[in-house]
Amino acid sequence: SQKIEQNSEALNIQEGKTATLTCNYTNYSPAYLQWYRQDPGRGPVFLLLIRENEKEKRKERLKVTFDTTLKQSLFHITASQPADSATYLCALSLSGSARQLTFGSGTQLTVLP
Amino acid sequence: DTGVSQDPRHKITKRGQNVTFRCDPISEHNRLYWYRQTLGQGPEFLTYFQNEAQLEKSRLLSDRFSAERPKGSFSTLEIQRTEQGDSAMYLCASSRGYTGGNTEAFFGQGTRLTVV
Repeated sequence: SQKIEQNSEALNIQEGKTATLTCNYTNYSPAYLQWYRQDPGRGPVFLLLIRENEKEKRKERLKVTFDTTLKQSLFHITASQPADSATYLCALSLSGSARQLTFGSGTQLTVLP
Repeated sequence: DTGVSQDPRHKITKRGQNVTFRCDPISEHNRLYWYRQTLGQGPEFLTYFQNEAQLEKSRLLSDRFSAERPKGSFSTLEIQRTEQGDSAMYLCASSRGYTGGNTEAFFGQGTRLTVV
């Protein structure tokens, strides 16, 4: 069955540093990979989508890479701020929409001032 | 607020009772999705509507679950004969139609169900 693993349940970093979150998957060949942010008690918020034929995508301080050979995505937040503290979820799908997204369990990021 | 709205935000029910949740998507979105999320886990897909048609259902959606989207606007998710294992956050999301590019999905704040 499909399996998605996100590195360590919790990640603490110092303000200003770059946070790197990992998403590994097995038994799946997704065409799309998405990253979401989720704050406590709230629904996920879409951040970035990357297609299988794209190596890297950027949006402001965010960067996502997608290596279909390694079956891995890396999510980077540069110049991190305490406001970036949240749980970050990766999600895989065969389509570019929210149809049948398979989510990882998330990584809780804390940016320390 | 023009985001996805879910009602109620919290629901406590006794085992065996029926519950119904409502989702109002963003008005111009024709796609609507239901997901379920338990503590410490990512959301799990339940079902998907395009306009009023329910096009996809997960195997997680047992026969005690039913979802509707009459007239392609708001949607309801009903759980009959609730069980303690149904306790979770039920999330609704909506997006525009897929036209070959990616479409951003907007999630509501969810309905937290507790079955006692």
